[in-house]
Amino acid sequence: AQSVTQLDSHVSVSEGTPVLLRCNYSSSYSPSLFWYVQHPNKGLQLLLKYTSAATLVKGINGFEAEFKKSETSFHLTKPSAHMSDAAEYFCAVSGGSQGNLIFGKGTKLSVKP
Amino acid sequence: EAQVTQNPRYLITVTGKKLTVTCSQNMNHEYMSWYRQDPGLGLRQIYYSMNVEVTDKGDVPEGYKVSRKEKRNFPLILESPSPNQTSLYFCASSLRGRGREQYFGPGTRLTVT
Repeated sequence: AQSVTQLDSHVSVSEGTPVLLRCNYSSSYSPSLFWYVQHPNKGLQLLLKYTSAATLVKGINGFEAEFKKSETSFHLTKPSAHMSDAAEYFCAVSGGSQGNLIFGKGTKLSVKP
Repeated sequence: EAQVTQNPRYLITVTGKKLTVTCSQNMNHEYMSWYRQDPGLGLRQIYYSMNVEVTDKGDVPEGYKVSRKEKRNFPLILESPSPNQTSLYFCASSLRGRGREQYFGPGTRLTVT
């Protein structure tokens, strides 16, 4: 069975400082992992995905994530936060042949000026 | 433009009055899925479909029905809505198989009084 745990429900950073959103996963299969972003009153947009290629994955808007099998983690980072990064972020795992995604409960990112 | 559309975007209804939320995609995707999003719970899968006439239950199927008569459409039916189905609903689609990115619609906010 697959599961995802997002370790922080809310993260607050100042503009220009680094962002770290933490995600741990559990999967019986070799997992595919995703980060999605949801801006207020919008749908979900894919930031990046890991599918067993390079363990450091680069996404849109300067975000990246590192797959660490030994730690079962897939943390999302960005060197310098912008006000426009304020949103809710979801980590998801896909391990079965159907392609179903299991989502974490989300991390709300606030960016202070 | 490649997209997933949902209608209506907002709906307020009363307990027991049947309703349908439509979902359509123009990317020729085999896989489609419905999720509900509730505060603090993330996204939970209601039903999914691997192809035309093939549907299966997700994690929270009670009180919902779906059908997949055409590849592009995947309507969600609430035959007797109840207040605990007040939620934000998302439709998503993707190509079949592991590691495939899911594309999300803009969401339907449903309130059942």
